[in-house]
Amino acid sequence: DAMVIQNPRYQVTQFGKPVTLSCSQTLNHNVMYWYQQKSSQAPKLLFHYYDKDFNNEADTPDNFQSRRPNTSFCFLDIRSPGLGDAAMYLCATSRGGQGQWNEQFFGPGTRLTVL
Amino acid sequence: ELKVEQNPLFLSMQEGKNYTIYCNYSTTSDRLYWYRQDPGKSLESLFVLLSNGAVKQEGRLMASLDTKARLSTLHITAAVHDLSATYFCAVVTWTGNQFYFGTGTSLTVIP
Repeated sequence: DAMVIQNPRYQVTQFGKPVTLSCSQTLNHNVMYWYQQKSSQAPKLLFHYYDKDFNNEADTPDNFQSRRPNTSFCFLDIRSPGLGDAAMYLCATSRGGQGQWNEQFFGPGTRLTVL
Repeated sequence: ELKVEQNPLFLSMQEGKNYTIYCNYSTTSDRLYWYRQDPGKSLESLFVLLSNGAVKQEGRLMASLDTKARLSTLHITAAVHDLSATYFCAVVTWTGNQFYFGTGTSLTVIP
């Protein structure tokens, strides 16, 4: 089945120790997104790629970086995690553009704990 | 700045009752999405509303969109415990690539 996969599902890191979260998709979608969701809050868009074109939200901290080496994979790098970065990180994909069926599909999420 | 607001933020309702969740947004958009999220889980797509006046129904949930009023509603009919979850609406920018989520409505259905 076509899907959005995130690894790992749970990640524990130490304060200041770099961490990378992974997302892959079999939908062949053009757009991949990273969201941060803290407890009892709405998902917050960090950035998205339209193909290789990177789009950063204005208020995304520099501590967060992303890479998309090919259509299928996208990575979220947190260079120096702080306690405030503990959250659920959601990856999503969409076909992109203004098409009628441009729906967003979410992966299961990675829950990040910072010690 | 695009704003998407939902109300109420918290909703506790008895089984069998009806209620409506409202989603207001601040920019022009002709597409709106509703999602459900269970605790500790990812988001599950419920409805995609693509035009003014669109109405979609699935089971006890019905969603509608009024693009002129920049308002969407999610109506719950005869609530059951299984509907307890957090519900988010999301609006897409004109490019079609950026999704912005509402504040969420945490629904609890009590016997």
